[in-house]
Amino acid sequence: NAGVTQTPKFQVLKTGQSMTLQCAQDMNHNSMYWYRQDPGMGLRLIYYSASEGTTDKGEVPNGYNVSRLNKREFSLRLESAAPSQTSVYFCASGVGTGWEQYFGPGTRLTVT
Amino acid sequence: DQQVKQNSPSLSVQEGRISILNCDYTNSMFDYFLWYKKYPAEGPTFLISISSIKDKNEDGRFTVFLNKSAKHLSLHIVPSQPGDSAVYFCAASLKGAQKLVFGQGTRLTINP
Repeated sequence: NAGVTQTPKFQVLKTGQSMTLQCAQDMNHNSMYWYRQDPGMGLRLIYYSASEGTTDKGEVPNGYNVSRLNKREFSLRLESAAPSQTSVYFCASGVGTGWEQYFGPGTRLTVT
Repeated sequence: DQQVKQNSPSLSVQEGRISILNCDYTNSMFDYFLWYKKYPAEGPTFLISISSIKDKNEDGRFTVFLNKSAKHLSLHIVPSQPGDSAVYFCAASLKGAQKLVFGQGTRLTINP
């Protein structure tokens, strides 16, 4: 039982490049989430998926797209990376009302 | 619009003493409040929660207090141990929203 896994762990991109962050969970949770963590800003929700087949915008969705591929997998795509997207990205999955969330180890992304 | 605020970026406490972390919120419709703990290079982990219909919840060394009239909650850790050194995030959820709003985090350092 691996919980929530994220790939890659680290990534450096040049401005304008694209990439997809992968997330998978093996806990059979319905809800999945993408957050970014920046100094002094806490965790901010980018997108979430309350169930397979649905996605919704969070607090900071601009510049990102998501795909809920199946119940296990939820990917985050940056189509044209910008330096402002330099951050640590966390994926999480949740049960019930959504407040009990389990986080992956994070992806540290740097955009130069 | 920061709905959940942790106004102290850092806190330093001596081992064995009480640590008190504070959190304020603005939305009176939040129905669940939570604390998450985060170590460096790891994802946050759920620590303790409290329903809006209660004013206290205790779990071992950790107690969360909720003052709805003041829109304030606090996490008490007693006695504080070196392993408690981490960043603590306060979070809140709206009934049925299936997502969380996080505060900016407070870095707690326990000194020997």
